[in-house]
Amino acid sequence: QSVLTQSPSVSGAPGQRVTISCTGSSSNIGAGYDLHWFQQRPGAAPRLLIYANNHRPSGVPDRFAGSRSDTSATLVITGLQAEDEADYYCQSFDSRLSGYVFGTGTKVTVL
Amino acid sequence: QVQLVESGGDVVQPGRSLRLSCVASGFTFRTSAMHWVRQAPGKGLEWVATTSYDGRTKYYADSVKGRFTISRDNSKDTLYLQMSNLRGDDTAMFYCVREIFDYWGQGTLVTVSS
Repeated sequence: QSVLTQSPSVSGAPGQRVTISCTGSSSNIGAGYDLHWFQQRPGAAPRLLIYANNHRPSGVPDRFAGSRSDTSATLVITGLQAEDEADYYCQSFDSRLSGYVFGTGTKVTVL
Repeated sequence: QVQLVESGGDVVQPGRSLRLSCVASGFTFRTSAMHWVRQAPGKGLEWVATTSYDGRTKYYADSVKGRFTISRDNSKDTLYLQMSNLRGDDTAMFYCVREIFDYWGQGTLVTVSS
């Protein structure tokens, strides 16, 4: 059972804006540990999308933006494209578990 | 370019052991912490274990503690995961991941079944 909770699915038409939430607690996101986001397309390995809350690795379009507040974090995709259809996971460190934790995952569908 | 290539996945019976390997290239392996992350079929990502750059500090998920051992050989740029007393719920794709989770291998599949 994951300690980071995400909504199971979100959908949007091409060009629209979608938001993915990640809810944690005082032992992970609320403790100030970095929050990362990953994209996983079908049949592929996960790809780092956002690191340290709001930074994009080289090659990640600026359509993807991350933010955090208190015990939660948000990934926003603006100008949704067909290639964005994938599963998205948040990830942080948890001091109570003394280990890393992933979110439950959100499936993004492009209508 | 950074490459992580896992191997060792197989079909094994419950209670048996298996060792996974991950050969790294394209970066300074000996200065990087490394992780194993797994994903059961149709399920989400689960962190398994982490080793510090020098192998002295290791962390494990509660689900594998006492059964799995992460290790590394910096002279061979290789990360290992020794798995023992395997169970059906260990069936998963296992990924080797670099320090800040910025590079992932393609994974190696472990199936535990009688």
